[in-house]
Amino acid sequence: DTAVSQTPKYLVTQMGNDKSIKCEQNLGHDTMYWYKQDSKKFLKIMFSYNNKELIINETVPNRFSPKSPDKAHLNLHINSLELGDSAVYFCASSQGVGWGGEGHIQYFGAGTRLSVL
Amino acid sequence: AQSVTQPDIHITVSEGASLELRCNYSYGATPYLFWYVQSPGQGLQLLLKYFSGDTLVQGIKGFEAEFKRSQSSFNLRKPSVHWSDAAEYFCAVEGDTGRRALTFGSGTRLQVQP
Repeated sequence: DTAVSQTPKYLVTQMGNDKSIKCEQNLGHDTMYWYKQDSKKFLKIMFSYNNKELIINETVPNRFSPKSPDKAHLNLHINSLELGDSAVYFCASSQGVGWGGEGHIQYFGAGTRLSVL
Repeated sequence: AQSVTQPDIHITVSEGASLELRCNYSYGATPYLFWYVQSPGQGLQLLLKYFSGDTLVQGIKGFEAEFKRSQSSFNLRKPSVHWSDAAEYFCAVEGDTGRRALTFGSGTRLQVQP
């Protein structure tokens, strides 16, 4: 039973389209994240939610909008896709505040490879 | 702001040889430190972590890492590498109080020769 699952695994689309990536965790965690891995494998935080509340919003274009309908889900919607958005997007989760050091461990999904043509 | 440096972009070792991957961090206090591994086309799997206490930590797959405060380092080691260890290895730090996000190094790609 996958702990952090993302769909789709691959996403190929044209410039200008709008697309969404879904993430679900069945670990009962309070905090969820989106990271972007570029073509050079560099990983960078985009967003973080704790109990459905946005707590980190890095300098990401406002074409990217995360949505957390409940604490087990954190979806990423991207408007007006651009070539530079091509990357692998990783969702992660952690237990959150009040769990000591173990609460800081982040568990990652398998990633969504987005290709914008 | 915190930062992580992995000086080795690419390392090749022979199967059965020992391995050490370097990681240096920049942070005022002791951060939470992690090593993750990413196999081709896969997500990131946690190898080990350091929060406090014993500076030599054991992880999965026979890996260990040693935290050295004086050198701001958290190097990953394995005494005998297996072909299945070929992957990308990322060192990460979480340090800024209340800011629960990992800062990753640029990764080290490990190749294993037969």
